[in-house]
Amino acid sequence: QVQLVQSGAEVKKPGTSVKVSCKASGYTFISYGISWVRQAPGQGLEWMGWISASNGMTNYPQNLQGRVTMTTDTSTSTAYMELRSLRSDDTAVYYCARALGDYWGQGTLVTVSS
Amino acid sequence: DVVMTQSPLSLPVILGQPASISCRSSQSLVHSDGNTYFNWFQQRPGQSPRRLIYKVSNRDPGVPDRFSGSGSGTDFTLKISRVEAEDVGFYYCMQGTHWPWTFGQGTKVEIK
Repeated sequence: QVQLVQSGAEVKKPGTSVKVSCKASGYTFISYGISWVRQAPGQGLEWMGWISASNGMTNYPQNLQGRVTMTTDTSTSTAYMELRSLRSDDTAVYYCARALGDYWGQGTLVTVSS
Repeated sequence: DVVMTQSPLSLPVILGQPASISCRSSQSLVHSDGNTYFNWFQQRPGQSPRRLIYKVSNRDPGVPDRFSGSGSGTDFTLKISRVEAEDVGFYYCMQGTHWPWTFGQGTKVEIK
């Protein structure tokens, strides 16, 4: 069965970076892209970007350009999302999802606090 | 960016009664390949989102047939034919036609 398993919760200081992993299993990794979505406390869903697992092509929204980098490691079927220059309003649960969201990870809470 | 506007934002419902959520996009969601990449997601309290409907009207595997999606172009609707207690939570529309992909604000469904 398809599973996306994310890395554990993180606490970071403002100005630092965080890298969240998403390990896929149960399907051919390079056949689907991976999306990243975040949800701030009590708020809605925000799409953070997408990466093709076959060729590494990415697409990010303008508000995150320059701060976010998505990568994949096809040898381990793992996707990564790195967010830099963290601010308090980056505190959120970060989700990975396959392609257009047919399967989701369990979420990773990232707390940014001094 | 394509703006997705849901209504209502709060929907009190009676168990066993129908419910309907609307989503309007600021531009047509018909892709150049002819598909309309419009989805509905459900998020129960404390859980990850779950996709219910893809490409406007296709139910994902395991989704009860009381959920249905319809619409075209810029106007879309999610209908629940008979609300059950497990349907409580937030519902989000999302478009994957135009970069960046965007979500609606979410609709909170609760039992009246």
